Amino acid sequence: SQQGEEDPQALSIQEGENATMNCSYKTSINNLQWYRQNSGRGLVHLILIRSNEREKHSGRLRVTLDTSKKSSSLLITASRAADTASYFCATASMNTGFQKLVFGTGTRLLVSP
Amino acid sequence: DVKVTQSSRYLVKRTGEKVFLECVQDMDHENMFWYRQDPGLGLRLIYFSYDVKMKEKGDIPEGYSVSREKKERFSLILESASTNQTSMYLCASRAGTGGEGYTFGSGTRLTVV
Repeated sequence: SQQGEEDPQALSIQEGENATMNCSYKTSINNLQWYRQNSGRGLVHLILIRSNEREKHSGRLRVTLDTSKKSSSLLITASRAADTASYFCATASMNTGFQKLVFGTGTRLLVSP
Repeated sequence: DVKVTQSSRYLVKRTGEKVFLECVQDMDHENMFWYRQDPGLGLRLIYFSYDVKMKEKGDIPEGYSVSREKKERFSLILESASTNQTSMYLCASRAGTGGEGYTFGSGTRLTVV
């Protein structure tokens, strides 16, 4: 079962621009995580935001969480060609058991030089 | 550098074969997971384990079994491979305290012919 839905499904921007990806989910969560996947490879954990947090930063990444709207956004500032990848949100919630993550289908980001 | 290692990057097997996918982590993590990833469907949880010799079914366990005889190793077994099990298989691990991200392996792309 999929919890998170990312929007847009695909995003194409120029280097130096900002990229914003959104994630919506359906049930109450303990935390929400964002991952990056380069083509044909495993996922890399980027950032985790807990349900009692509203915003978190890590380098060029900014994540927001609005539990009232059951949504999150990932902002990548000053994007680089190396940021080209698929980005997934994943939720850990009480409904699915605390130890499991449920992933969305991802946003494909293309950053052109 | 902490690691989750999957034994094969690419694997081709015949229908009806018994297939073993191996995953080893060097982080002393309690929790280990097997996902499969298919276009348009995202990542779906097959099985997970929260301790040695313990296992729990995920969302799509049919046609699969798992083994965890040692803390560092979590094996996924396809009892009788079928063409609809052609997929990317991703192993992940996480510490037992909760609230942390997962560490993923590089994935095994399995083709069943």
